[in-house]
Amino acid sequence: QKEVEQDPGPLSVPEGAIVSLNCTYSNSAFQYFMWYRQYSRKGPELLMYTYSSGNKEDGRFTAQVDKSSKYISLFIRDSQPSDSATYLCAMSGGNTDKLIFGTGTRLQVFP
Amino acid sequence: ETGVTQSPTHLIKTRGQQVTLRCSSQSGHNTVSWYQQALGQGPQFIFQYYREEENGRGNFPPRFSGLQFPNYSSELNVNALELDDSALYLCASSPGERNTGELFFGEGSRLTVL
Repeated sequence: QKEVEQDPGPLSVPEGAIVSLNCTYSNSAFQYFMWYRQYSRKGPELLMYTYSSGNKEDGRFTAQVDKSSKYISLFIRDSQPSDSATYLCAMSGGNTDKLIFGTGTRLQVFP
Repeated sequence: ETGVTQSPTHLIKTRGQQVTLRCSSQSGHNTVSWYQQALGQGPQFIFQYYREEENGRGNFPPRFSGLQFPNYSSELNVNALELDDSALYLCASSPGERNTGELFFGEGSRLTVL
């Protein structure tokens, strides 16, 4: 079993839809939770960063962490074609120096 | 403020050869990490350097090695290349010793091993 599980998609939605992306994990030591966006042939770009449980909002993006369920989510409101990319969840523990990534979910937003 | 830059962007090697990939970290960042991203997969941690010392290593064999220089730039060396080494190699920098996840990635070096 992988430490971080993420549905690879692809997920195809119309412009303006609310998108929900999710990851589950097995290691209870994870304390830092991130979402990265990766456009084709580009490096990952940090979108959202959360420490421990709770919600964080930034514009059209909301990240949620539920440590009791070992489940994290990213919501995208009013999705745009420019949001079409692969979204990677990533996690790390407080005493480790590496990120554990999910496989990424490919999102397509069509006009 | 300049971001993370990597070179070369693309390269092709044959099995058994050696390769060196280079990375310049973002201004003010003293920690560099390297990740391998196979097609359709998430990045996998190779190792991290802080102040020129290896500061954590993932599940990669010793033929993957690295260096960090006093200006915080870094190199990734891979010896005895195998077909499975074909991947996007990502360099990421951060401002502190401990990665809390706020990494800034370069565009990557895409390696093809034939």
